[in-house]
Amino acid sequence: EAGVTQFPSHSVIEKGQTVTLRCDPISGHDNLYWYRRVMGKEIKFLLHFVKESKQDESGMPNNRFLAERTGGTYSTLKVQPAELEDSGVYFCASSQGRYTGELFFGEGSRLTVL
Amino acid sequence: AQKVTQAQTEISVVEKEDVTLDCVYETRDTTYYLFWYKQPPSGELVFLIRRNSFDEQNEISGRYSWNFQKSTSSFNFTITASQVVDSAVYFCALSETNYGGSQGNLIFGKGTKLSVKP
Repeated sequence: EAGVTQFPSHSVIEKGQTVTLRCDPISGHDNLYWYRRVMGKEIKFLLHFVKESKQDESGMPNNRFLAERTGGTYSTLKVQPAELEDSGVYFCASSQGRYTGELFFGEGSRLTVL
Repeated sequence: AQKVTQAQTEISVVEKEDVTLDCVYETRDTTYYLFWYKQPPSGELVFLIRRNSFDEQNEISGRYSWNFQKSTSSFNFTITASQVVDSAVYFCALSETNYGGSQGNLIFGKGTKLSVKP
């Protein structure tokens, strides 16, 4: 069974440009999460989808970030326009049960904003 | 406020040594969940264990063991007879509860990088 896959693995863009990160969760997992780790800091929660609905987006830093999950399958996280402080590793995770806490993580998408 | 502190940034041991990774947490909740995740060089975080706040029994899984002490707000992780394959970054995490289960919005510590040398 395929795990959580993320694309791209690494993206380098200039400040002001747009980047879209994609996450394919494990098939059948209704719960999908985005996390971010900025260099030297903790991994921080961004948001949680249950199927196509945003259950909790309390961790989204600002309105330059837009997450979608159309159809309740894969998800995209768009950063527009990107700023220097957006650099970091963006992790996607999925889970079958909503309250298990056992999240299956992808390998992350490293974003570098120059 | 909830917080997880992993004071050890990096640890280096020689194979077969035992090593303990420390985790101290802060929360005002009376019910919560604690986790350990492993991040190998490939990058993904791998779930190791979940413990709820009402279960203070220590857990052992092969060479891995966990010591949960509410009195000191600690959830330490010990690897016995370490191996080179144990080299990774280990994260401790905390979550609130909802309807008795763990929320997925985990609060992570900064991680401890463990290097096991042959």
